[in-house]
Amino acid sequence: DAGVTQSPTHLIKTRGQQVTLRCSPKSGHDTVSWYQQALGQGPQFIFQYYEEEERQRGNFPDRFSGHQFPNYSSELNVNALLLGDSALYLCASSSAGGRRETQYFGPGTRLLVL
Amino acid sequence: GEDVEQSLFLSVREGDSSVINCTYTDSSSTYLYWYKQEPGAGLQLLTYIFSNMDMKQDQRLTVLLNKKDKHLSLRIADTQTGDSAIYFCAESARDNYGQNFVFGPGTRLSVLP
Repeated sequence: DAGVTQSPTHLIKTRGQQVTLRCSPKSGHDTVSWYQQALGQGPQFIFQYYEEEERQRGNFPDRFSGHQFPNYSSELNVNALLLGDSALYLCASSSAGGRRETQYFGPGTRLLVL
Repeated sequence: GEDVEQSLFLSVREGDSSVINCTYTDSSSTYLYWYKQEPGAGLQLLTYIFSNMDMKQDQRLTVLLNKKDKHLSLRIADTQTGDSAIYFCAESARDNYGQNFVFGPGTRLSVLP
């Protein structure tokens, strides 16, 4: 049973560019959440997708957008990259059908903006 | 808004017990979690506790919850060098839009031989 997978593992971009990160949820999960983890900090919630719609959003600007596909996989897009967007981006999946939405995390994509 | 706090560092000797503490503010929290993050890796779910419980034991891990004081702790018995990592406390609460997770800043556990 594959867990949560993310691609790519590492990425280097320059300021002003755009980036797309990808996530495949754990088998049987239908909800995907994205987090930004800056160096030395805990993960910060970006948004959550369920039934192909953004269900919740944290305190992130509109430059951060996402998408969920019918197979439950998800993309995170960041436009007009800033140096401060350098971080580990974590995807977590869960099952909305259960009472307990325990989240399982992928290994993350490490983004460096130069 | 919700806030989760943890001490940032803990150092213990191999074989001793480790206790990592966490406080949270959201009284509507339904579940509280402990995650482990090793260098360069994602977060690994260690254990969780439902808010109507006060203790949960899982092998070497014991979670204690004091809901009145909004205090959560993780005790690791017989700490090993492989337990060296960052430990994150997280709370979740359900609202009309789903389940919202808030993480603490993490406690870096160093296990000395």
